[in-house]
Amino acid sequence: GNSVTQMEGPVTLSEEAFLTINCTYTATGYPSLFWYVQYPGEGLQLLLKATKADDKGSNKGFEATYRKETTSFHLEKGSVQVSDSAVYFCALSDNLTYKYIFGTGTRLKVLA
Amino acid sequence: NAGVTQTPKFQVLKTGQSMTLQCAQDMNHEYMSWYRQDPGMGLRLIHYSVGAGITDQGEVPNGYNVSRSTTEDFPLRLLSAAPSQTSVYFCASSSPTGGKREQYFGPGTRLTVT
Repeated sequence: GNSVTQMEGPVTLSEEAFLTINCTYTATGYPSLFWYVQYPGEGLQLLLKATKADDKGSNKGFEATYRKETTSFHLEKGSVQVSDSAVYFCALSDNLTYKYIFGTGTRLKVLA
Repeated sequence: NAGVTQTPKFQVLKTGQSMTLQCAQDMNHEYMSWYRQDPGMGLRLIHYSVGAGITDQGEVPNGYNVSRSTTEDFPLRLLSAAPSQTSVYFCASSSPTGGKREQYFGPGTRLTVT
């Protein structure tokens, strides 16, 4: 079945450091891929998405590229801020049932 | 436009009690889902619905019932609460046939079963 694996946290960085959160997936066909962010006490919010191979999703300085050959969708940001501290979830949605599979989440803490 | 709303925000139940978690969306989305979030396990799908009158089980459906009588509402019922159902519950909606595969989440309900 479909699955999503993302790196365990917590990840602790200093402000302005480079961020990478790894995400790999297993799926039949060509799923859509997503990154969601969850701030404390809130629901999940869409951060970015990509719907086909080689698509790059981007938002608020975050980027991720849909790599079919490596089945990956790693999240990157060039310079993190304290306000980026949150939990980040990688997810896929298959094209037949639209059901979502989420990774376990990666907590990011950015220190001033 | 309120998006996805959930009530209550917090609830404490005793083992064996029943309750309904409410979820409503005003975006005319056909697809709605319920998830539970537990530490270290991400979000797990409980039940989902692809339209009014149509529901199906997700990954962890045992102990939960759903119905979808209208497009807007998708309540989740716990028939006999157990401590293992202590969790944070999120409702989400989307419109995949309308080209919007991304899900919109409610703020969550934090449930404690003692």
